[in-house]
Amino acid sequence: KQEVTQIPAALSVPEGENLVLNCSFTDSAIYNLQWFRQDPGKGLTSLLLIQSSQREQTSGRLNASLDKSSGRSTLYIAASQPGDSATYLCAVKAGDMRFGAGTRLTVKP
Amino acid sequence: NAGVMQNPRHLVRRRGQEARLRCSPMKGHSHVYWYRQLPEEGLKFMVYLQKENIIDESGMPKERFSAEFPKEGPSILRIQQVVRGDSAAYFCASSPNRQANQETQYFGPGTRLLVL
Repeated sequence: KQEVTQIPAALSVPEGENLVLNCSFTDSAIYNLQWFRQDPGKGLTSLLLIQSSQREQTSGRLNASLDKSSGRSTLYIAASQPGDSATYLCAVKAGDMRFGAGTRLTVKP
Repeated sequence: NAGVMQNPRHLVRRRGQEARLRCSPMKGHSHVYWYRQLPEEGLKFMVYLQKENIIDESGMPKERFSAEFPKEGPSILRIQQVVRGDSAAYFCASSPNRQANQETQYFGPGTRLLVL
């Protein structure tokens, strides 16, 4: 049974800092991995989708990596801003989609 | 192209009542997924539907919960005889096809159900 874990559960950093969010999954037989952003009381916004054959994806200040063999993904956020404050969820797809519990990020001005 | 739409955004029910949650997928999308998010937890898959068919309901509780996606109209998640433990955010997502390795799901804003 696929289990997705995100560490840390919460993270607070000063504005401008580079940071890394971690996601691990137990079954490496996945089709893809996706990072989402969720703002309080809102839905999910897809940030990056990495196919199983890919190692990384980049969008602006965001870079996501995937190491399928070790069951790990990281989301790197460069030069963090207060507007980046949100909960970040990773999800793996193998059949259905399994989500981690998220990392709640606070970027202090 | 409007995104995935869900209504109502907030729903309050008393124990024993019925809750109906609606989801209109993005235009051109024929696949709908429902997820539940309990407080302080991640999203949990409930059910996957295509037009008029339930494809995978492995995450759906066996009793009181049902889902449909008729040929015309929105997908409906129905919860009968609600209990306090049903209080959660229910998210709907849609996708244009079932090519699993290329699929991106687009999420709606969710319906927040509160059972008193």
